Amino acid sequence: GAVVSQHPSRVICKSGTSVKIECRSLDFQATTMFWYRQFPKQSLMLMATSNEGSKATYEQGVEKDKFLINHASLTLSTLTVTSAHPEDSSFYICSARDPAGQSHTEAFFGQGTRLTVV
Amino acid sequence: SQKIEQNSEALNIQEGKTATLTCNYTNYSPAYLQWYRQDPGRGPVFLLLIRENEKEKRKERLKVTFDTTLKQSLFHITASQPADSATYLCALDLTGGSYIPTFGRGTSLIVHP
Repeated sequence: GAVVSQHPSRVICKSGTSVKIECRSLDFQATTMFWYRQFPKQSLMLMATSNEGSKATYEQGVEKDKFLINHASLTLSTLTVTSAHPEDSSFYICSARDPAGQSHTEAFFGQGTRLTVV
Repeated sequence: SQKIEQNSEALNIQEGKTATLTCNYTNYSPAYLQWYRQDPGRGPVFLLLIRENEKEKRKERLKVTFDTTLKQSLFHITASQPADSATYLCALDLTGGSYIPTFGRGTSLIVHP
C-alpha cells in the first residue's frame, strides 16, 4: 500500500512556542491530506482537510489561526501548532488517499506525532 | 447527529478463539464501512472495506459483516493470536461520498496466550 510519513514522532515544547509537524506521501501524489487529533482512549477527530495549493478547510470548533496548515506541494502538508498550551497536548495524525491507486477509498495514515506541551 | 458506537470495554479472549467486535451507527446510511487497526502510539492501518450492498467480506482470518437494517457491522478475527492484540476502529464516510472517514473510538482486543 501507499506510504505516508509523519515527522517528528514525538515532540516536547514549552508553553507559548510553536511546533511544526510534517506529513509526506512517499510514493504517490496527494492533492488532499487530512489532519486528525486523538486524545487518550478517544476516537480520531478530524481537524482539517489540507488542499494542495489552496486554503485548508477546518472542521467546526478548530481554530484556523492556531492550527496553521500549509500544503505547498503534492507530497507535503505541514501542521503548525502556534502558541501551544498544555491543552494542545495530544496525538496528531495525518492521512492521505491515493486517488490514482486501486482503492481510492482507503486512507493511509502517518505514524502520528505525540505532542506534549509543558 | 450521527453517532458511531463501539464497545469501550476491552475484549479479552484466549488464543485460538474467534474475536467478534461490534460497530453500531445511528442516523445515517453510509455507502460503505471500513475497519482499521491501531497499535499504541501509531496511526491506524486499513484492514477491510465493506459496501452497503455487500453482506459479508473476508480477508485471510478476518471477516466483516454489514447489516444496513440493524445499522451494525461485526468484525471477526478467527484463530486469534497474541499479535492480533490492538485497538480496532470502525469508520464511516459521513460526508456523502467525499471519502473522509469518521471514526468510532475503537475497541481494544487483548488475546491471551
